[in-house]
Amino acid sequence: SQQGEEDPQALSIQEGENATMNCSYKTSINNLQWYRQNSGRGLVHLILIRSNEREKHSGRLRVTLDTSKKSSSLLITASRAADTASYFCATDAGTGRRALTFGSGTRLQVQP
Amino acid sequence: DTAVSQTPKYLVTQMGNDKSIKCEQNLGHDTMYWYKQDSKKFLKIMFSYNNKELIINETVPNRFSPKSPDKAHLNLHINSLELGDSAVYFCASSQAGGVQPQHFGDGTRLSIL
Repeated sequence: SQQGEEDPQALSIQEGENATMNCSYKTSINNLQWYRQNSGRGLVHLILIRSNEREKHSGRLRVTLDTSKKSSSLLITASRAADTASYFCATDAGTGRRALTFGSGTRLQVQP
Repeated sequence: DTAVSQTPKYLVTQMGNDKSIKCEQNLGHDTMYWYKQDSKKFLKIMFSYNNKELIINETVPNRFSPKSPDKAHLNLHINSLELGDSAVYFCASSQAGGVQPQHFGDGTRLSIL
């Protein structure tokens, strides 16, 4: 079964607005990563947050992590049409397997 | 200068055939992966190799056999293809030493007729 569940499954906003996507997971983790997937392309790594971190920023991206609630959020500020993509969270359970468990993704549509 | 490249990009074939997908990375990474993404976009790990050694083998039918001739290559051979094998298969790589960000290829879209 999938480790993570993203919410919402789909999100449509206007250019310039902020987009918030949430991810919930089930087991303890070492770190959580967010990836973007453009249509017909592979996943691209956006940001990694470790289990002892609560917030991380990268450009227009802000990620939060709440390990007590087993949840994370990705905020994209001042969205652009080019941000249109699917966004996935992925967790590492720290078992040494070096494999990520991905959520189901949020499909973001940014209208120009 | 593509980092992780997969071939072919599209693969359309008949049920029962045998096919291979090739993957190469030029990032100098030690670890390579195969993932399967189904029609609902769920992405699931299939195999992982570290320095040509198999370290993860999920509950994948043994019709699927990965081969790593060297640490820059991880190929996937599939025997006796079935309708349920239709999916997008992604190769990825990462540095060793804990879980690092993974770099993905653009996927191979496999369609079984």
